[in-house]
Amino acid sequence: NAGVTQTPKFQVLKTGQSMTLQCAQDMNHEYMSWYRQDPGMGLRLIHYSVGAGITDQGEVPNGYNVSRSTTEDFPLRLLSAAPSQTSVYFCASSRTREVTDTQYFGPGTRLTVL
Amino acid sequence: QKEVEQDPGPLSVPEGAIVSLNCTYSNSAFQYFMWYRQYSRKGPELLMYTYSSGNKEDGRFTAQVDKSSKYISLFIRDSQPSDSATYLCAMRRAGNNRKLIWGLGTSLAVNP
Repeated sequence: NAGVTQTPKFQVLKTGQSMTLQCAQDMNHEYMSWYRQDPGMGLRLIHYSVGAGITDQGEVPNGYNVSRSTTEDFPLRLLSAAPSQTSVYFCASSRTREVTDTQYFGPGTRLTVL
Repeated sequence: QKEVEQDPGPLSVPEGAIVSLNCTYSNSAFQYFMWYRQYSRKGPELLMYTYSSGNKEDGRFTAQVDKSSKYISLFIRDSQPSDSATYLCAMRRAGNNRKLIWGLGTSLAVNP
């Protein structure tokens, strides 16, 4: 049981490049989300999904796109990378969005935009 | 003013000490209170979750909520070097589609 997996672990991009951060879970969870974690800012929600085909914006969605074509996968796309997107990105999943359902986090992707 | 305030530390204690970690909050509507532990270069993992006021105990960990003071605490008894991590509090209101509000985390080092 792998839980929540994220690839890559590390990435360096140049300003203006695009890329996709991959996230997958094998727990058949409905709810998946993307956070970024920055010093002094804490964890901030970027986008989330309550099921395949359904996504919505979080607190800081600008510059990011998501899609959810399957229950298992929830990729995060950076359309045109900017230095302000340098951060650690975490994917998380839970059975539902209810607070009583434990949210499981992946190991993170450390992204640097030059 | 942030909705959730948490002293970033770092907090350094000797092995076996009792550790007290705290968060204060401003929104009296918060009903669900969580503590996450995050090891260096890892994702957060849920330690404990409490609904409304009161205490909850799980092994060496006790979570306490004081809604009248808008103050929550996590106590760690008999602290171990393996408890060295950043501890994040998070909370949310009752009802559907309520987002989690996170503290910035307190860095804890337990020295052998």
